[in-house]
Amino acid sequence: QSVLTQPPSVSGAPGQRVTISCTGSSSNIGAGYDVHWYQQLPGTAPKLLIYGNINRPSGVPDRFSGSKSGTSASLAITGLQAEDEADYYCQSYDSSLSGSRVFGGGTKLTVL
Amino acid sequence: EVQLVESGGGLVKPGGSLRLSCAASGFTFSSFTMNWVRQAPGKGLQWVSSISSSGSYIYYGDSVKGRFTISRDNSKNSLYLQINSLSAGDTAVYYCARDGRAARTEYFSDYWGQGTLVTVSS
Repeated sequence: QSVLTQPPSVSGAPGQRVTISCTGSSSNIGAGYDVHWYQQLPGTAPKLLIYGNINRPSGVPDRFSGSKSGTSASLAITGLQAEDEADYYCQSYDSSLSGSRVFGGGTKLTVL
Repeated sequence: EVQLVESGGGLVKPGGSLRLSCAASGFTFSSFTMNWVRQAPGKGLQWVSSISSSGSYIYYGDSVKGRFTISRDNSKNSLYLQINSLSAGDTAVYYCARDGRAARTEYFSDYWGQGTLVTVSS
């Protein structure tokens, strides 16, 4: 059971928009800690996609965007492309456990 | 170019031990907090441990506390994870990851190694 809750899977057709939710609690996202998102392509290491809720590292297309409100956050992907098919993870910090970074369980994005 | 290269994984019997290493290059290693994150086969990411840039502050996830020891040697640009009393539940790919730096945010990893697989089986 992950501290942050994500839907196990989402899907969309090429060109469409999809969103992935990440729900936490008052000791992590709701406490004001930022949410970060990672993309993991099959057989590869995770890659930072969004940091500080809304920021994209250099090289990440602006088709990817993040938002945060209350105890939840969302990742939106517009103009879906076949190469976006991957697992996506949200991550935050939890104050109930010292030093504890927490991840969501991951969401598998399928491009139809 | 930032590079993180893990090594030391392998097949180990239950109750055994391993020492994982992560060789860092392309940045000032001694200035960054470093982390270990693991991923069991077919499962999600799990934070394991973090160590501050000087090594003064160390944190562990509950599932590994008392069995795993994180350390670093800034003179060798290397991060380590000593893992003891291994059980099947520790079978995973272990990733080394660097803490990112940005204004007004923290606790994220901006670079990851390719991982090293630890398999615990008799």
